[in-house]
Formats: sequence, C-alpha cells, structure tokens
Amino acid sequence: GAVVSQHPSWVICKSGTSVKIECRSLDFQATTMFWYRQFPKQSLMLMATSNEGSKATYEQGVEKDKFLINHASLTLSTLTVTSAHPEDSSFYICSARVKWDRVNTEAFFGQGTRLTVV
Amino acid sequence: AQTVTQSQPEMSVQEAETVTLSCTYDTSESDYYLFWYKQPPSRQMILVIRQEAYKQQNATENRFSVNFQKAAKSFSLKISDSQLGDAAMYFCAYRSRKGGSEKLVFGKGTKLTVNP
Repeated sequence: GAVVSQHPSWVICKSGTSVKIECRSLDFQATTMFWYRQFPKQSLMLMATSNEGSKATYEQGVEKDKFLINHASLTLSTLTVTSAHPEDSSFYICSARVKWDRVNTEAFFGQGTRLTVV
Repeated sequence: AQTVTQSQPEMSVQEAETVTLSCTYDTSESDYYLFWYKQPPSRQMILVIRQEAYKQQNATENRFSVNFQKAAKSFSLKISDSQLGDAAMYFCAYRSRKGGSEKLVFGKGTKLTVNP
C-alpha cells in the first residue's frame, strides 16, 4: 500500500520560533497533499491543500502567512508554523492522494506531528 | 457546504459482540463518496471502508459493513465480532466527486471502547 511519512512525530519549540513539519510520500508521487489540524478530542480540520509546483489553497480562517506550505517536489510537502505561539499547539496531520486510475483516488495519512509551543 | 454529524461521542461494546456507529450528513450533491476512518491511540488515520453514493449496494470489508441510506443521508458502520484492536476513534467523512474535489469533511468522531 501507499505510505506517507510525517516528520517529526513530536516537537517542542519556544514561543516566537518557527518549526517545520515534513510530509513525504514514500512509494508514490503525490501531486496533491493536504494538511489538517486536530485539537484534543476533536475532529480533523482541513487547513490547506498543497499542490506540487503551485501555491497552496488555504481554507477560510487559516492564516497563510503563519502556516507556510511548500510543495516543491512530487514526494514532499512542508508545513512551517512561523512565530509559533502556545495557541498553535496542536496535532498536525498530512495526507497524500493516490490516484489508482482516472476515476478512483484514495487519501493516505501520515502519522501526525504533535506540536507543543512553550 | 457539506456537513457530517456523528451523534455518539462514545460507544462501548463487549468483545465478540456487534456495534453500530451512526453518521448522518448533509449535502445538495448527488454524487459523492463516504468513508469511515479509524484513528487508534497511535493517531494514524486508517481507512476502514468506503462507499460510492451511486452504488446502491452497501460496502463490506470483512467484519465491517455499512448501512447506506441515501435518501435519509445516513451512513452507519457496523462492526461484527468486535475485537480489542477495534478500540479507537472512528470518523465518518464525506468527499464530493464534483470538479475533482479531494477535500474530506469529517464528523467529530465516536470513541469506541471494546470491553474484554
């Protein structure tokens, strides 16, 4: 099956610093990746759709200058949380789309990154 | 905009018994996908089962089956012969087929406990 690897699994950073999270598709090429945020005991909320070679599409209410997304290759998308604050502490999950054929696609998820800002 | 509602924040089941998790959704579209995802304590999201709206037949994957009622916009998940490893958060999700959309809209989840 398709494997999506997310790194790091957890990170603690100081308030005001930036932190980068990587999402890699290990055995397939992903033209589209997605970044979600999950608060404790809550559902996954889509933050943005990352397209290889073009700008990410952000959901309403998500600050694009705070959550920088780069999808420079077909196997890597990165999410950088800039000038992190304690309220940015959360669980961040990426997913990548596998296209089985012209019609059928499936999303595979990374294992998530727990960000704690102190 | 589409919405997905899971009305059961928590459910429990005895090992080897059957449990049904509820999900309703709201959409004006006629062609879409519905999914059930499992999120165990490891937090890795795993696809359990998928249903295409144009198919009348309910999807089945081993011990997991769905009851898809399109007119009622209901999509429940039945887990038969529950196992300890089934304990997890279960999320119902919707995806439009319109315009190549890949956005998944998730419900709030149901925490399933399996008692030995």
